[in-house]
Amino acid sequence: EAGVAQSPRYKIIEKRQSVAFWCNPISGHATLYWYQQILGQGPKLLIQFQNNGVVDDSQLPKDRFSAERLKGVDSTLKIQPAKLEDSAVYLCASSLGLAGAQYFGAGTRLSVL
Amino acid sequence: DAKTTQPPSMDCAEGRAANLPCNHSTISGNEYVYWYRQIHSQGPQYIIHGLKNNETNEMASLIITEDRKSSTLILPHATLRDTAVYYCIVPRYRDYKLTFGKGTLLTVNP
Repeated sequence: EAGVAQSPRYKIIEKRQSVAFWCNPISGHATLYWYQQILGQGPKLLIQFQNNGVVDDSQLPKDRFSAERLKGVDSTLKIQPAKLEDSAVYLCASSLGLAGAQYFGAGTRLSVL
Repeated sequence: DAKTTQPPSMDCAEGRAANLPCNHSTISGNEYVYWYRQIHSQGPQYIIHGLKNNETNEMASLIITEDRKSSTLILPHATLRDTAVYYCIVPRYRDYKLTFGKGTLLTVNP
């Protein structure tokens, strides 16, 4: 069974530029999550989708971050404009439903210069 | 939300059992205990979860005390590839949200 796919693995941008990350969850998983992990800390949930609807985006900085999950499968997370403090690993995870184990991708490491 | 407490770091010799403790004294009766680990430069990996009974799978065993206030993750024969940060998490029952703390850095030594 294929795992959660994320791309790109690494991205370097300058502040005020925009960037987008892509995630393809495990086939059949209805719930998709985006996490931000700053160096030395545990992952922090940014947004959670159930199919193509948003369940929780309370921790998403909506002035600069946006996410969508079209057709309830793939998802993209966008940052526009990026700030220095956005430098982090962005992790995508999926699960069969709202409860149960979450399965994570390898993440995208973003460096904002 | 049930808060968990884990030691910041532990060492284990290769081939020996690694026993990772976790305190969750405020856990509610219907909340599960989940364990994840994160190997350097990888995403977190689900290991095991349980409610009140002991659980075992191909990766590890989970022992939950009778009062459910603490648990222990056991890796029966640790290898160098088990070196990772181990997170004990009690997801919120109302929405199953995972809140990651700092976890325990387990270092398996040759």
